[in-house]
Amino acid sequence: EAGVAQSPRYKIIEKRQSVAFWCNPISGHATLYWYQQILGQGPKLLIQFQNNGVVDDSQLPKDRFSAERLKGVDSTLKIQPAKLEDSAVYLCASSYAKNIQYFGAGTRLSVL
Amino acid sequence: AQRVTQPEKLLSVFKGAPVELKCNYSYSGSPELFWYVQYSRQRLQLLLRHISRESIKGFTADLNKGETSFHLKKPFAQEEDSAMYYCALGGGFKTIFGAGTRLFVKA
Repeated sequence: EAGVAQSPRYKIIEKRQSVAFWCNPISGHATLYWYQQILGQGPKLLIQFQNNGVVDDSQLPKDRFSAERLKGVDSTLKIQPAKLEDSAVYLCASSYAKNIQYFGAGTRLSVL
Repeated sequence: AQRVTQPEKLLSVFKGAPVELKCNYSYSGSPELFWYVQYSRQRLQLLLRHISRESIKGFTADLNKGETSFHLKKPFAQEEDSAMYYCALGGGFKTIFGAGTRLFVKA
């Protein structure tokens, strides 16, 4: 089966610019997750969708981050405006059974 | 509050030696524990979970509720085990990852 697809793989922007990441989960997976992984740390959940509804976004900095999952399939995560501390790898994952997550390759964001 | 602690950032062992990667958790409910692994230039993937009680690639992990631990063990390490290992706690709808332990198996 095809895995979780993410794009772009790398992105370099200047602070205060905007950026968007895209994720296409494994077909049939109802749950989609976005994680932020800062260098040297484990993945931190930003937002979790069940179909197109938000299950948990308690750690999403809502003043600058937004995410949507229209039609309950693919999803976009946006940062506007970006800060230096947003430099990280952004991981998307999907699951069909509770908590067994399949991860994408991630998008490495560098904010200069 | 949910928390996962992996006390070792780096663990270096010789090939054939036993390996134990430590994981301690904090959670008031009934926990689901996982180990995820990331090999060099590969994506993060599930290694094993406690409810399966299975051995994957020679690794096992036992949930000890009394000590709130879920240590990952392998009796004889192989060079191909070198990777980043993350312990994860699933509680309710949220999964929390530890900071990870890099395992380096020397020839």
